[in-house]
Amino acid sequence: QSALTQPASVSGSPGQSITISCTGTSSDVGGYNYVSWYQQHPGKAPKLMIYEVSNRPSGVSNRFSGSKSGNTASLTISGLQAEDEADYYCSSYTSSSTYVVFGGGTKLTVL
Amino acid sequence: QVQLQESGPGLVKPSQTLSLTCTVSGGSISSGDYYWSWIRQPPGKGLEWIGYIYYSGSTYYNPSLKSRVTISVDTSKNQFSLKLSSVTAADTAVYYCAREPITGTTRYYFDYWGQGTLVTVSS
Repeated sequence: QSALTQPASVSGSPGQSITISCTGTSSDVGGYNYVSWYQQHPGKAPKLMIYEVSNRPSGVSNRFSGSKSGNTASLTISGLQAEDEADYYCSSYTSSSTYVVFGGGTKLTVL
Repeated sequence: QVQLQESGPGLVKPSQTLSLTCTVSGGSISSGDYYWSWIRQPPGKGLEWIGYIYYSGSTYYNPSLKSRVTISVDTSKNQFSLKLSSVTAADTAVYYCAREPITGTTRYYFDYWGQGTLVTVSS
């Protein structure tokens, strides 16, 4: 069982917006601004999409945005495109000795 | 452009030691600005952080694996390595190496990943 809770799946039509949630505790998501998000296409390595809650690395589309409220972080993808279909994982620093924890992943389907 | 590449046996017998190496190109592993991590993903499952090493050799491991994990670094070859002892079928996974920036207050995310290598534990 993953430390952070994500919905197993979300879906949306091209052009729409979707939001993926990531729920933790005050020891991880809620206590620190160290939430990151990764996109993983089948058979590929994860790709960093958001770091420190809402920062986008160079080269990542501004259609991807991140936010946090309390113990829940969110990844929003606007203007959905077919290429966005992938698995998405959240991650957070944790004050427990585990250092970094991940969510179980969310499969995004573009209808 | 930084690149990371995992290498090592794809099949390990139960109770033996899994050994993998990550070769870093396009940047120096001796830069003081990064931790170098191993992360794994069992088939069809989520990600699990295994541990990291700094170029100086200092390490930190996931407590759930600490008793079986050793991560080492060879700065002359720009490589770092993972050893996981006493493996079982539960250790079957794709193993990734990854880079974590540690400049200033920036921390706790992985900006470059290797392509991953599948290690199967089976007799």
